[in-house]
Formats: sequence, structure tokens, C-alpha cells
Amino acid sequence: DTGVSQDPRHKITKRGQNVTFRCDPISEHNRLYWYRQTLGQGPEFLTYFQNEAQLEKSRLLSDRFSAERPKGSFSTLEIQRTEQGDSAMYLCASSLVHADTQYFGPGTRLTVL
Amino acid sequence: TQLLEQSPQFLSIQEGENLTVYCNSSSVFSSLQWYRQEPGEGPVLLVTVVTGGEVKKLKRLTFQFGDARKDSSLHITAAQTGDTGLYLCAGTDYGGSQGNLIFGKGTKLSVKP
Repeated sequence: DTGVSQDPRHKITKRGQNVTFRCDPISEHNRLYWYRQTLGQGPEFLTYFQNEAQLEKSRLLSDRFSAERPKGSFSTLEIQRTEQGDSAMYLCASSLVHADTQYFGPGTRLTVL
Repeated sequence: TQLLEQSPQFLSIQEGENLTVYCNSSSVFSSLQWYRQEPGEGPVLLVTVVTGGEVKKLKRLTFQFGDARKDSSLHITAAQTGDTGLYLCAGTDYGGSQGNLIFGKGTKLSVKP
């Protein structure tokens, strides 16, 4: 078990550019979550998948944010037309269905210049 | 809206001292998790507590879940410099189907040699 992995670990981009992050969950986990963490705050829930179905997306911060999990394995989070306020740590977590415990990846640190 | 309040926000102690951090809410949670996070990394799971009144021990760390499942505490005995980090509590929405975690802002612990 290699744990949850995320790529890239760091991303620096200019305002207005699009960025995409990848998350590979623990292999047997059906659920995959995305969170955002800003400085001095705890992680904030964005969206989640059960297998390939996106079951909650109302918490995505704006219509510039979208996520996919096409084959029920890895997931991508895309931010279009990035803004400086998007600078944050983006965290992915996975769990078994109906399990309370979530396991987090190392995160992707986004800096928008 | 369910909220988790953590206290204290910051704690600086000498190696060998004992400490307790708290996680409180006016809402009931089906479970609470405690995570430890280091700068630039994702949260690492320490424990999940599920039953009201439950006490779990992990070496020098003792976790308690309140009887009413609204609060939790983490006690560290004889703190070591390696305990330094951000301690986050997170609750699973009671009865919710989303399963997303609600996080407190964390307690930033610094243990000095």
C-alpha cells in the first residue's frame, strides 16, 4: 500500500492560466475527496467521488473549479483562469465507502503570481 | 452549519512537559479524527474515535471522545521535540451521506528542547 499520492507537489503559475492536479488514491478505496487549505486554516471540503460518480460538487468554490474521476481510480482537479486568491494547498483524501477515516495525500501547493 | 473549535490556537512548551488540546462543537458528530500536519505536507491520521466516552491511547498520546460526541481532547505526556506540528481535529457529519470531514483550525504545537 503506497498511500495517497498527488502530483505535482508544487505549482507556480501566472494569473489567468489553467492548472490541473492529479490524485491517486489508495487502490481499494472507492471514495475520493478534494479539500483546499489556506494559511492558518483547516482543510475545507470541495468535492467528492464514489467510484466515478461525483456525488457532491456544490462546495466547489466557483465555476472555474472542476474535478473528474473518469475510471473510478485517479482524479484530477482543474482550476481555470487562476486568480491570486486560488493560492493554497490542495489536498486529496480517500476512504472506503461508509468508513469515517480518510487518508490524505501530501498535497499540491499552488502559488498564483 | 457544523463547526469545530480548537483550543489553544498556539502552544509553546518545553520538552518533557504535558499538554492537552481541545476540540469542541455544539453539534454531534458520528466520529472524530485527529491528524498531525507538518509544514508543506498533508495531514497524517493519528486516531479515529467513534463511541461516546471512548478513550484511545497511542504511546504518549491519549485521545478522548466526549460522552455526547460533541467534543474531544488530545493529551500528550512528556512531550518531545518530534511532537511539534499542527494538530487538527475533524468530524464526520452526523447522519450525513457525504462523509466529508469538517475541520477545526488546528492547534500549532511547538516543543522546545
